[in-house]
Amino acid sequence: AQRVTQPEKLLSVFKGAPVELKCNYSYSGSPELFWYVQYSRQRLQLLLRHISRESIKGFTADLNKGETSFHLKKPFAQEEDSAMYYCALRSGAGSYQLTFGKGTKLSVIP
Amino acid sequence: DGGITQSPKYLFRKEGQNVTLSCEQNLNHDAMYWYRQDPGQGLRLIYYSQIVNDFQKGDIAEGYSVSREKKESFPLTVTSAQKNPTAFYLCASSPRDTYEQYFGPGTRLTVT
Repeated sequence: AQRVTQPEKLLSVFKGAPVELKCNYSYSGSPELFWYVQYSRQRLQLLLRHISRESIKGFTADLNKGETSFHLKKPFAQEEDSAMYYCALRSGAGSYQLTFGKGTKLSVIP
Repeated sequence: DGGITQSPKYLFRKEGQNVTLSCEQNLNHDAMYWYRQDPGQGLRLIYYSQIVNDFQKGDIAEGYSVSREKKESFPLTVTSAQKNPTAFYLCASSPRDTYEQYFGPGTRLTVT
């Protein structure tokens, strides 16, 4: 069975400081990993996915299969980054299911 | 914000009553999903449907039922058998090719 672990429930950083939101997964095959974000009073939305290898709003995430991790990083936090972040895993070809972590609330202190 | 809608935004019911939550999408997506979101629990999958007239149980299907008679609609019924129904319910849909899930605004159900 697959599992996604986000070890931090809450992460507080100062504006301008680097941010790293941790995500570890357990899955024996080749997963597809995502980060979803939920800003206050807004819908949950996709932030980025590992296969696209793009940077969205300054965030990047690299899939490390050796460490089974997909940490989300940003070099300089902004106040508007404050939100709830969820890491999610799709187990592979043909699978529609996503397994979500429990989420990390990021608070950027002005 | 169109695309996927959920109604109502807030719903109140008495214990012992069944209640149906609406989810509609006009994105022509094949798959639809229902999640339950509780504080500190993340999102947990209740049911999902890949095509019309077919659906699969997720991780926490007990006490819930769904139907998928139309591609656009995927209603969720919270039955009286659900022991802890008070929660925030999210509906999502995804296209076949990317599997990226698009979420609705959610329905907050309170059962007293």
